[in-house]
Amino acid sequence: EPEVTQTPSHQVTQMGQEVILRCVPISNHLYFYWYRQILGQKVEFLVSFYNNEISEKSEIFDDQFSVERPDGSNFTLKIRSTKLEDSAMYFCASRVRGGGVETQYFGPGTRLLVL
Amino acid sequence: GNSVTQMEGPVTLSEEAFLTINCTYTATGYPSLFWYVQYPGEGLQLLLKATKADDKGSNKGFEATYRKETTSFHLEKGSVQVSDSAVYFCALSLQRGNKLVFGAGTILRVKS
Repeated sequence: EPEVTQTPSHQVTQMGQEVILRCVPISNHLYFYWYRQILGQKVEFLVSFYNNEISEKSEIFDDQFSVERPDGSNFTLKIRSTKLEDSAMYFCASRVRGGGVETQYFGPGTRLLVL
Repeated sequence: GNSVTQMEGPVTLSEEAFLTINCTYTATGYPSLFWYVQYPGEGLQLLLKATKADDKGSNKGFEATYRKETTSFHLEKGSVQVSDSAVYFCALSLQRGNKLVFGAGTILRVKS
């Protein structure tokens, strides 16, 4: 069964450093998402991406964040200058097409720790 | 705004006990409703979903019915197993928004 993959599984970085989190969505999916989960808190939506552009973003997704689909398979989340409060589990998700009934498939997550 | 409220955990049950995890929602539109499960060390997996009022989603012995009148989508299972120990997330999605809005998650621990 096809699945969403994410790399790395864990990343430790120093405050102020740039990090890039990578995701490979399911191959025939068209919509891509990033969510994050701070330890002990809710899973929060960050951004959705379709047709090579952001379709929606949350207030969390400020100028420090960017997303990119650099080729036909990868979908990346970049944090330009990490802060302590960026420490969280980051989940990538994808789905075939739009509409609320379509299932989003999640990757296993990248645990980011900012020191 | 749109939000999901789940019962707080952890919920600790003995094997074969009946499970209910409450979930209520507020939404500006007419949402689709989901239950996702997160097993230890893994990502989020869709457990079941319902797209309109009175729909019942079911999977692996779990069920939830979309109740528009009470804005609820409670998760139930008649007989839990140790392997059901996980975190359960209720979520909604609106047609236009596409994004999922999650509840806080409920930890379920099942003891043998």
